[in-house]
Amino acid sequence: GQNIDQPTEMTATEGAIVQINCTYQTSGFNGLFWYQQHAGEAPTFLSYNVLDGLEEKGRFSSFLSRSKGYSYLLLKELQMKDSASYLCAVRGSNYGGATNKLIFGTGTLLAVQP
Amino acid sequence: NAGVTQTPKFRVLKTGQSMTLLCAQDMNHEYMYWYRQDPGMGLRLIHYSVGEGTTAKGEVPDGYNVSRLKKQNFLLGLESAAPSQTSVYFCASSYSAGGSYEQYFGPGTRLTVT
Repeated sequence: GQNIDQPTEMTATEGAIVQINCTYQTSGFNGLFWYQQHAGEAPTFLSYNVLDGLEEKGRFSSFLSRSKGYSYLLLKELQMKDSASYLCAVRGSNYGGATNKLIFGTGTLLAVQP
Repeated sequence: NAGVTQTPKFRVLKTGQSMTLLCAQDMNHEYMYWYRQDPGMGLRLIHYSVGEGTTAKGEVPDGYNVSRLKKQNFLLGLESAAPSQTSVYFCASSYSAGGSYEQYFGPGTRLTVT
């Protein structure tokens, strides 16, 4: 079966660092995406990992370990505007490579407090 | 460049009524997708299309139909609405499959079926 797990909610303080974890079990693997979704808005793309290791993009970094079926999103220097849901999504290789279909986790709601 | 647009933004239907949701993209994307998002369930794929004139079922296709007569448009139809179809519907598109080609999302349609 296909399964993606993320914590439901997290709270962090402005200026701090927070790590959002994602574990997955899917039929094959052909890439992992992180999206940000503010309340009432559309998801927007944050990062993509397909090889093991860390991808850094400004205040946001994403890590992947394919052998462990594990990824995390690291947010540094948290700002109030980072309060949002963070969605982990996996593209499986059996069909995803030809269709770009994604399987989404339920998302992690991050609340940044002053 | 409007990206992905959806109409309508909000709609209230009575059980048994029908409606069509329209998704349009101006990025010349080949792939298009319809998702529904429910609390605690994450984004679930309803139907998708890998090109003009093609459609395929996703994870939760029952009660929905789609058409892709033009490359830029992807229509989602509800023939006989049910309260279980109360949800937020997102359309997405991507340029190609594989690699780091992310999906771009529209602003969503909030549908309530009474």
